Amino acid sequence: SAVISQKPSRDICQRGTSLTIQCQVDSQVTMMFWYRQQPGQSLTLIATANQGSEATYESGFVIDKFPISRPNLTFSTLTVSNMSPEDSSIYLCSVERSGETQYFGPGTRLLVL
Amino acid sequence: DQQVKQNSPSLSVQEGRISILNCDYTNSMFDYFLWYKKYPAEGPTFLISISSIKDKNEDGRFTVFLNKSAKHLSLHIVPSQPGDSAVYFCAAGSSNTGKLIFGQGTTLQVKP
Repeated sequence: SAVISQKPSRDICQRGTSLTIQCQVDSQVTMMFWYRQQPGQSLTLIATANQGSEATYESGFVIDKFPISRPNLTFSTLTVSNMSPEDSSIYLCSVERSGETQYFGPGTRLLVL
Repeated sequence: DQQVKQNSPSLSVQEGRISILNCDYTNSMFDYFLWYKKYPAEGPTFLISISSIKDKNEDGRFTVFLNKSAKHLSLHIVPSQPGDSAVYFCAAGSSNTGKLIFGQGTTLQVKP
């Protein structure tokens, strides 16, 4: 498995502001993923972040809204920019280990007022 | 277009009995499948997985069955325990992309 931490664990933000979420892994990994879980919904992949290259975004998600950094093999950040109440969600990072199995962090609970 | 579906939003079973959670998928390119358990205020926890070359994988009380022709998988929990009460997500992936597509989740309640 993997030990993954996220900061902050939760936040309440005003619309129009931005929040950067950090994801730290206990050992080096090639692939890191960012997901969103909107209230009552399933997990939706936002983007895949590989070290040394630009993140790959899924349909419906754009870099201007969700810029991602991946400076090394143990760390990544996701920024939620120019937030609106519709961005209120749980944001989760995950890493791939043991083949294709993904392990998740505890999540960041975001409420936008 | 929902590629992975869990048609039962909730399931309630008695402690000690079997819990069966179901999942259907549409994309033939998926070649591995996983089940996750999620408690409130926590991230999803990996439970068990299965490759498309197998039809069954067992780990303790958890068994996953895969029926490729029907594009259907199920998770069996035997015996069910109250601590199993959580939301269960199935996920499907393609080794070409490494991406996972999740179902909507099924809330399992195991009654003492």
